[in-house]
Amino acid sequence: KQEVTQIPAALSVPEGENLVLNCSFTDSAIYNLQWFRQDPGKGLTSLLLIQSSQREQTSGRLNASLDKSSGRSTLYIAASQPGDSATYLCAVLQDYGQNFVFGPGTRLSVLP
Amino acid sequence: EAQVTQNPRYLITVTGKKLTVTCSQNMNHEYMSWYRQDPGLGLRQIYYSMNVEVTDKGDVPEGYKVSRKEKRNFPLILESPSPNQTSLYFCASSPNPYYEQYFGPGTRLTVT
Repeated sequence: KQEVTQIPAALSVPEGENLVLNCSFTDSAIYNLQWFRQDPGKGLTSLLLIQSSQREQTSGRLNASLDKSSGRSTLYIAASQPGDSATYLCAVLQDYGQNFVFGPGTRLSVLP
Repeated sequence: EAQVTQNPRYLITVTGKKLTVTCSQNMNHEYMSWYRQDPGLGLRQIYYSMNVEVTDKGDVPEGYKVSRKEKRNFPLILESPSPNQTSLYFCASSPNPYYEQYFGPGTRLTVT
């Protein structure tokens, strides 16, 4: 059964720092991996979607990489800002179905 | 505005009293799904639907029912709610599971 983990569970950094969030999955038979942002009391917002055939995706200050064979993805945030404070979740779509498995999330605080 | 809406946003009910949480999307998406989010367990998929009249179980379907009679609506039904169904529920939609998902704002359900 697919399991998705995220490290660290929480992270606090000063404004301006570059940071890396990690996502690991146990079964490499995935179709894609998606990174989300969740603000308190709100739903999830999709940040980046990486297909299994891709190595990375970029959007503004965000860059996500995928190493399918080793079961890992990283989300790189450049020049962090207080507005980046949120919980970041990764989710994988199984290769053999249409259901998603989510990680527990990393809670990020960027201090001014 | 493209969006996924859920109603109600907050609900307190008693054990055994049937309830329905509605979900509607205005993006003509084929794929819709329901999740529950619990502290320490993250998001878990309850049910998903590839198209009208096509639904399938996710990881935690017990105690829930769904129906997909129209493309835009995907209600979640709890026939006999129990306290262990107290949770934060999210509905999501996308053109298909291989594209980014759009989430609703969430419904916080408390069963006493």
